[in-house]
Amino acid sequence: DGGITQSPKYLFRKEGQNVTLSCEQNLNHDAMYWYRQDPGQGLRLIYYSQIVNDFQKGDIAEGYSVSREKKESFPLTVTSAQKNPTAFYLCASSTNYLNTEAFFGQGTRLTVV
Amino acid sequence: AQTVTQSQPEMSVQEAETVTLSCTYDTSESDYYLFWYKQPPSRQMILVIRQEAYKQQNATENRFSVNFQKAAKSFSLKISDSQLGDAAMYFCAYNFGNEKLTFGTGTRLTIIP
Repeated sequence: DGGITQSPKYLFRKEGQNVTLSCEQNLNHDAMYWYRQDPGQGLRLIYYSQIVNDFQKGDIAEGYSVSREKKESFPLTVTSAQKNPTAFYLCASSTNYLNTEAFFGQGTRLTVV
Repeated sequence: AQTVTQSQPEMSVQEAETVTLSCTYDTSESDYYLFWYKQPPSRQMILVIRQEAYKQQNATENRFSVNFQKAAKSFSLKISDSQLGDAAMYFCAYNFGNEKLTFGTGTRLTIIP
């Protein structure tokens, strides 16, 4: 079945450590996105990529990094520079057409302990 | 920059009744797409309905319909015959060109049995 998969579902990190969240899609979508969701703040865009080997910062990119070496994969690294990393992270993918819907993964809940 | 505003953090409705969720947006573009997404307790984002800005006819999907007022930059979602399964967070979103999908802060909908 086609879809978008995030792993792990829950992740715990000690302060000062980097951690990488996985996002894989087999929908043949060109565009991929990472959003952060906090209570009362909706979905805020961290990074997005419209083509392999290229990506752009979103509204809250500080403390995060990404790579897009393969069309199917768009991992997000939460670095120690991210001051408040505890949040729910959603990955999405879409075609690059204007009317396309975005397909979302099931999310990763990151907790800093 | 495009912004999306949802002014109702929470709404409630009696089962089988009708409820309208509000959304306004700010853009200088003339051709764009608007979406309503649903996020149930599972946190899986699901597309509810989409509207093309150049179409005057309001989109409808079964019990879900929109009231799109382009001049007023308003895009409300009407849910008819509300069901318990409609309980969720609802997000309004805007998409233009190859830009990021921009979300509002969401409205939490409670269905009262």
